Amino acid sequence: ETGVTQTPRHLVMGMTNKKSLKCEQHLGHNAMYWYKQSAKKPLELMFVYNFKEQTENNSVPSRFSPECPNSSHLFLHLHTLQPEDSALYLCASSQELWDRGNQPQHFGDGTRLSIL
Amino acid sequence: KQEVTQIPAALSVPEGENLVLNCSFTDSAIYNLQWFRQDPGKGLTSLLLIQSSQREQTSGRLNASLDKSSGRSTLYIAASQPGDSATYLCAVTPPGGSYIPTFGRGTSLIVHP
Repeated sequence: ETGVTQTPRHLVMGMTNKKSLKCEQHLGHNAMYWYKQSAKKPLELMFVYNFKEQTENNSVPSRFSPECPNSSHLFLHLHTLQPEDSALYLCASSQELWDRGNQPQHFGDGTRLSIL
Repeated sequence: KQEVTQIPAALSVPEGENLVLNCSFTDSAIYNLQWFRQDPGKGLTSLLLIQSSQREQTSGRLNASLDKSSGRSTLYIAASQPGDSATYLCAVTPPGGSYIPTFGRGTSLIVHP
């Protein structure tokens, strides 16, 4: 039990579908993160939220839309995705903003997304 | 643009061996370097973090060194065990305002009994 729960664990969707990934943490952390891990590229940080406010967007295409309604929940809304978006999407949280690793991050087990 | 390379990409060793995993980065202007472990189907677990001013960090059987000027870090695993089987990732973070890390692709390690 990592304290960070991601649902669903697996998702298969067509390019025209709309779906959402959910991340929930019960660790009392204030910062949350979305990462993308694909077979063809190294792990990439996508978005960072601190106290529900987005602090980083790592040049992510607009077909990915994050939402952080409170410090415990983070969503990634998906719309009109491309086959190259197939990847493992990892969520993480930390007590305070990661600030280059000085705060340990706790990771969920990810959502494996496949785009048909 | 920072690039991080990890060699070897995969490693299979018998139990008990001492191992060295390598991480190199192209831009020596880093804030810190971090080693992570990732088990299959799981997220990342932080192992060691080395600040740019430090030369090494140790935790149990793990020792990570950093040579910033040459753009290299090594993760030394002593007396490897089957439970060490996992993918090991290194990541560097830049100085300055942005802290977007750059990850390597990882070394997949199998330690067989």
